[in-house]
Amino acid sequence: ETGVTQSPTHLIKTRGQQVTLRCSSQSGHNTVSWYQQALGQGPQFIFQYYREEENGRGNFPPRFSGLQFPNYSSELNVNALELDDSALYLCASRLRQSNYGYTFGSGTRLTVV
Amino acid sequence: QKEVEQDPGPLSVPEGAIVSLNCTYSNSAFQYFMWYRQYSRKGPELLMYTYSSGNKEDGRFTAQVDKSSKYISLFIRDSQPSDSATYLCARGEETSGSRLTFGEGTQLTVNP
Repeated sequence: ETGVTQSPTHLIKTRGQQVTLRCSSQSGHNTVSWYQQALGQGPQFIFQYYREEENGRGNFPPRFSGLQFPNYSSELNVNALELDDSALYLCASRLRQSNYGYTFGSGTRLTVV
Repeated sequence: QKEVEQDPGPLSVPEGAIVSLNCTYSNSAFQYFMWYRQYSRKGPELLMYTYSSGNKEDGRFTAQVDKSSKYISLFIRDSQPSDSATYLCARGEETSGSRLTFGEGTQLTVNP
């Protein structure tokens, strides 16, 4: 069973609204990344947080923002939702010093109508 | 050109077949490679992880990396219906904050 949990599992929002997605990482994992996965595509990197600071960002506009908290939880916020934001949003965490890959959550399926 | 190219399939094989999944990548910066398996409505699950060229074996799975040709492969021996999933190759770079760049995934179906 994955140590990364995401909530909610499904969400429907209206274009123009704002949404907050939540992730609880494995204890001790100080690095968390968020990915967007459109249907039939591989995940696309949104951004990464290390010790509560953003330290990497993909090709996503500023209306995608995030937070990481000391208790290994994190949030992804998306403002001014667009139809193309409909996707599976994945949270992934790891211990930065680890030689192992990221552990992914099961994702939040966001539908924008 | 995409940084990681992967044939999306779909690929359908009979149970017991040997499956070969392949990706190519650009950019020769120091990097590591992974294969993830993703079942429908689930997040990706790490199968294999390697830094170096050559083969790495784990049970029925073998990951192969050829850095000279920028080619990575995953072989599945004695494939089972439970192996039916989407397989994602990924490349990571420590210099870019350890972000992962994924291929688009290959959908595999193993028929009983």
